[in-house]
Amino acid sequence: AQSVTQLDSHVSVSEGTPVLLRCNYSSSYSPSLFWYVQHPNKGLQLLLKYTSAATLVKGINGFEAEFKKSETSFHLTKPSAHMSDAAEYFCVVSGSAGNKLTFGGGTRVLVKP
Amino acid sequence: AAGVIQSPRHLIKEKRETATLKCYPIPRHDTVYWYQQGPGQDPQFLISFYEKMQSDKGSIPDRFSAQQFSDYHSELNMSSLELGDSALYFCASSSAYEQYFGPGTRLTVT
Repeated sequence: AQSVTQLDSHVSVSEGTPVLLRCNYSSSYSPSLFWYVQHPNKGLQLLLKYTSAATLVKGINGFEAEFKKSETSFHLTKPSAHMSDAAEYFCVVSGSAGNKLTFGGGTRVLVKP
Repeated sequence: AAGVIQSPRHLIKEKRETATLKCYPIPRHDTVYWYQQGPGQDPQFLISFYEKMQSDKGSIPDRFSAQQFSDYHSELNMSSLELGDSALYFCASSSAYEQYFGPGTRLTVT
């Protein structure tokens, strides 16, 4: 079984300041982990993925995430938030290739000017 | 690059009617997934197909059925629609670990 917990349902940051979205996972085997972003009334876009290679993963739009097995965490960060980063972010776990995705509850990011 | 195509994008149905949602995966992707996202909720896995065979099943109601055809497109059939079926339905396709999502079909049941 696998599960994902996003520790913050809402995060509010000022434009130009760092963003941190926290995610903890549970999996009975080596998981694949993803972050997806969903802008209002839009589909899901893959930001980055971890599939047992480098633990620090760089994604699109300046986002990166670090896989920490000892802490079962996969937190998403960005050094400087932009207004266009306002969206819902989902931390997602998959057991292996071809397996269903299990989504966290989502974190809604608000960026203040 | 080609993306996942879903049709229709919006659908309005009345209670007890039926609906058919279509998904066209990225070329050469052999696996298709269906997810349901209710208002303010995270997406929930419904069902998946690999090489035209059902590969996994999630919280899909018995009123729903799906299949994948020889050209790899998939259809989700929903019968006896209920108000609670109103949601955004996503299709995703993959050939390995990454799942690429379509824009979704927004189903409204009145």
